[in-house]
Amino acid sequence: KAGVTQTPRYLIKTRGQQVTLSCSPISGHRSVSWYQQTPGQGLQFLFEYFSETQRNKGNFPGRFSGRQFSNSRSEMNVSTLELGDSALYLCASSLEGGVQPQHFGDGTRLSIL
Amino acid sequence: AQSVTQLDSHVSVSEGTPVLLRCNYSSSYSPSLFWYVQHPNKGLQLLLKYTSAATLVKGINGFEAEFKKSETSFHLTKPSAHMSDAAEYFCVVSRMDSSYKLIFGSGTRLLVRP
Repeated sequence: KAGVTQTPRYLIKTRGQQVTLSCSPISGHRSVSWYQQTPGQGLQFLFEYFSETQRNKGNFPGRFSGRQFSNSRSEMNVSTLELGDSALYLCASSLEGGVQPQHFGDGTRLSIL
Repeated sequence: AQSVTQLDSHVSVSEGTPVLLRCNYSSSYSPSLFWYVQHPNKGLQLLLKYTSAATLVKGINGFEAEFKKSETSFHLTKPSAHMSDAAEYFCVVSRMDSSYKLIFGSGTRLLVRP
């Protein structure tokens, strides 16, 4: 079974631009969560999608948004990029979410110049 | 509110010696607890999970963890370290209700000396 796939692996953007990251979950998994990982703040929860609906949200500004498609693939969008958005963005999937273990992709490393 | 504290930011051991990575948690509810490992430039991989069954949990690659409610701890151990164990380890708590959120510890970087 293929694992969680995130594309692209690396991105370089400049301040003010916007970016879209993609995540394909493990086949059959309906819950997709997104995390931001930085050296200073560690791993922080962005949001979770389940059956195309945002089920939970972390404490990030509205510039961070996401969506989930009917095939459970998910995208995350960040608008008006700031230097502080430079991070590793991780996507994780599970069958139903909740207390089920999550399976992580290898992440998208976003660098803002 | 849930929180998790990893007591050591770095742990260094010699190959073949025991590993102990410490984690304390705080939870108003009966928690689910996990340990994940992250190798450089990779995502996180689940090592083991505790969900109110046996208090001693065995995971992959020889790791295990013991849930101690009286001490609010969930320390990760391995009898004998291998060079391939060098990575960052995260202790994670999740609420056992409909509100889904994983709370990550700050991570412990394990260095294994030859």
